[in-house]
Amino acid sequence: GIQVEQSPPDLILQEGANSTLRCNFSDSVNNLQWFHQNPWGQLINLFYIPSGTKQNGRLSATTVATERYSLLYISSSQTTDSGVYFCAVLNTGTASKLTFGTGTRLQVTL
Amino acid sequence: DAGVTQSPTHLIKTRGQQVTLRCSPKSGHDTVSWYQQALGQGPQFIFQYYEEEERQRGNFPDRFSGHQFPNYSSELNVNALLLGDSALYLCASSLWADSYSGNTIYFGEGSWLTVV
Repeated sequence: GIQVEQSPPDLILQEGANSTLRCNFSDSVNNLQWFHQNPWGQLINLFYIPSGTKQNGRLSATTVATERYSLLYISSSQTTDSGVYFCAVLNTGTASKLTFGTGTRLQVTL
Repeated sequence: DAGVTQSPTHLIKTRGQQVTLRCSPKSGHDTVSWYQQALGQGPQFIFQYYEEEERQRGNFPDRFSGHQFPNYSSELNVNALLLGDSALYLCASSLWADSYSGNTIYFGEGSWLTVV
């Protein structure tokens, strides 16, 4: 099956710093989503981005499908950004079965 | 617009018991998938239901079973619980018509299961 790798596994930032999270995948995809999992476990949709670039406030994401990677940018980080960020992909032809990466655990400190 | 709702939020069971978890998909969605997330890991696909039938299944034993009702809601049943079944169980909601073309898949808040 498709492999999804995320880096870095852990990241500690001071409030106000910027960061880039990376997601590499091993096969073609027709769905790529970035999620933020809060401490209570809820997966919050950040972006649906199988290709191209999107921005939402301090967050933006870019997927280069031909090179099989996606990047999530967090600017001016806040303590509320803390949590685990997951990249999940839907391998072409596998009908809504998302494969998740191992996640990046982000801690933003004051 | 109601999002994905799951119940119960937390529960504790004893080894060997059985558990039923419930999910109502987002309004307008007709497909429900279940995922298991062990501590420190990403969610793993269990199975998917559409038109009251199991359409896809991940690498989980037959102790894990499910059901979808005519109103698209779904149940996940786990029999003969093991300590290793302790995890966060997540329900995902989507539209079957988008299954291969891709579109946003929404998750509920999950059910935390502890097996003691």
